Amino acid sequence: TQLLEQSPQFLSIQEGENLTVYCNSSSVFSSLQWYRQEPGEGPVLLVTVVTGGEVKKLKRLTFQFGDARKDSSLHITAAQPGDTGLYLCAGARAGGTSYGKLTFGQGTILTVHP
Amino acid sequence: NAGVTQTPKFRVLKTGQSMTLLCAQDMNHEYMYWYRQDPGMGLRLIHYSVGEGTTAKGEVPDGYNVSRLKKQNFLLGLESAAPSQTSVYFCASRSRTGANTEAFFGQGTRLTVV
Repeated sequence: TQLLEQSPQFLSIQEGENLTVYCNSSSVFSSLQWYRQEPGEGPVLLVTVVTGGEVKKLKRLTFQFGDARKDSSLHITAAQPGDTGLYLCAGARAGGTSYGKLTFGQGTILTVHP
Repeated sequence: NAGVTQTPKFRVLKTGQSMTLLCAQDMNHEYMYWYRQDPGMGLRLIHYSVGEGTTAKGEVPDGYNVSRLKKQNFLLGLESAAPSQTSVYFCASRSRTGANTEAFFGQGTRLTVV
C-alpha cells in the first residue's frame, strides 16, 4: 500500500516552462519533506514543511503543505536543465515511536530539455 | 566530509548466495535506516535502528537481517539472495534530536541477483 501518492511519475518539459508535482495522502503527517536525487546518488533534502498551509520558497522552487497536512506540492518556475532529476516526497509521523521513519512517494522523474 | 558511506557500490549475486552490505556514518547519529528503491515504488524501509545494539523491522523486512554492533555502522545481510531482491539499497542516518531533522543518505548499492 502506497500511503503517499505522487504525481505525475514522469514529466518532460522545455526549459523555461513551469511545473507542479503533487504528493497526496489520506493520512496526516507531522511533516513532509522533499528530496532530489541525481543518478547514482542518494536523495538530498530540499525542504521540510511542518505547519498546515505552510509555503516555503527556495529560489525558483515553491513548496506548499496542505492545510490538513495530508498533501503537498512542489512548483518550479522557469525550469532549467539543471533541475533534471528525481523528486521524492516523504512524510514523517509524530510520536515517540516514529523514530524519524519516512514514507516515500513513488517519485517524479523530471527532464528539462534545453 | 564523508557523511554516510556504503560499500560495495555494485554487486552481482547468484540466487542463493549471501552477502552483507555495510553502512558507515561519521556524524554520531543515533538513528540509521536501510531502504530499497525500485522503479515506480519510491524508497521502502527494510529495517532501522534507533541505537547501538537495537534493530527493528520496517515495511519490507522479509529476506533481510541487520545488525548494529557499533553506533557508526549498520549492516544489512541477505542470507539467501533471490531475484526479487534485485534493487538499489540506500542507507540513511539522522540525529535523534528534533522531530523533523534531515536524513542523510549514502550513495547506494546496486545489487543484481541472477
